Amino acid sequence: NAGVTQTPKFQVLKTGQSMTLQCAQDMNHNSMYWYRQDPGMGLRLIYYSASEGTTDKGEVPNGYNVSRLNKREFSLRLESAAPSQTSVYFCASSEQGPKQAFFGQGTRLTVV
Amino acid sequence: EDQVTQSPEALRLQEGESSSLNCSYTVSGLRGLFWYRQDPGKGPEFLFTLYSAGEEKEKERLKATLTKKESFLHITAPKPEDSATYLCAVQARFSGGYNKLIFGAGTRLAVHP
Repeated sequence: NAGVTQTPKFQVLKTGQSMTLQCAQDMNHNSMYWYRQDPGMGLRLIYYSASEGTTDKGEVPNGYNVSRLNKREFSLRLESAAPSQTSVYFCASSEQGPKQAFFGQGTRLTVV
Repeated sequence: EDQVTQSPEALRLQEGESSSLNCSYTVSGLRGLFWYRQDPGKGPEFLFTLYSAGEEKEKERLKATLTKKESFLHITAPKPEDSATYLCAVQARFSGGYNKLIFGAGTRLAVHP
C-alpha cells in the first residue's frame, strides 16, 4: 500500500526556474494538502484542496500555484523559484472532517 | 489568530526518565487535536487524535491528554528508539467553511542510554 507518494525526493533549482512537485494518494481521500517545513517553524500550510476541483490558500501561498488534477493527484508549482523557497515540502491527504492526515516522504528543494 | 505552541523546543532524557511535552493552542472552533512523530528525513507519522477536553489516548509508552487550552504527551520510561520530533496539530474551522490543520513547531526529543 503506497499511501501518499511525492516526486521528486530531491531537487536543486536555479533562481527563476520553474518546476512542479507531484503528489498522488491511493486512499480515496477527498482532502489534500501542501505544506512546507523550515527549521524551527514547523509545518506551514501552502494550499489546501477539500475535494476535486476546489483549492484554497493556506498561510503561505505566495509564489506557488496548485492543481487538483483529479481525486488522486494534487500538484504544487513554483513558477519562478526564489532562494526563500528552499525548504522541505510535504503533501498530505485525509478524509473529510477532523481525521488524521497521512503524509508523503517529502521533497527537499534547494534554490540557489 | 489561530496558533499552536509547543514546549520545550528540545528535550534530552536518560533512558527510563519519564517526562511530558506540552502543546497549547488558541483556535476558534476546535475540531480535533493530533499528535505526530517525525523521524529525520521522513514525513510525520500519526500517533493520536483527541476530540474533546478530558479525553486520553495511550499507545505503548505514550499517553496523550487534552484540556480546553492544551494537550500533553506523556512519555513513560522512554527508550532510545523514542527519539524523534513530536508534532502537535489542531484542526479548526477555516474561513470559507473548510477545515485546516495547524501545526506547532515541534519538540525534538533525544533519549540517551
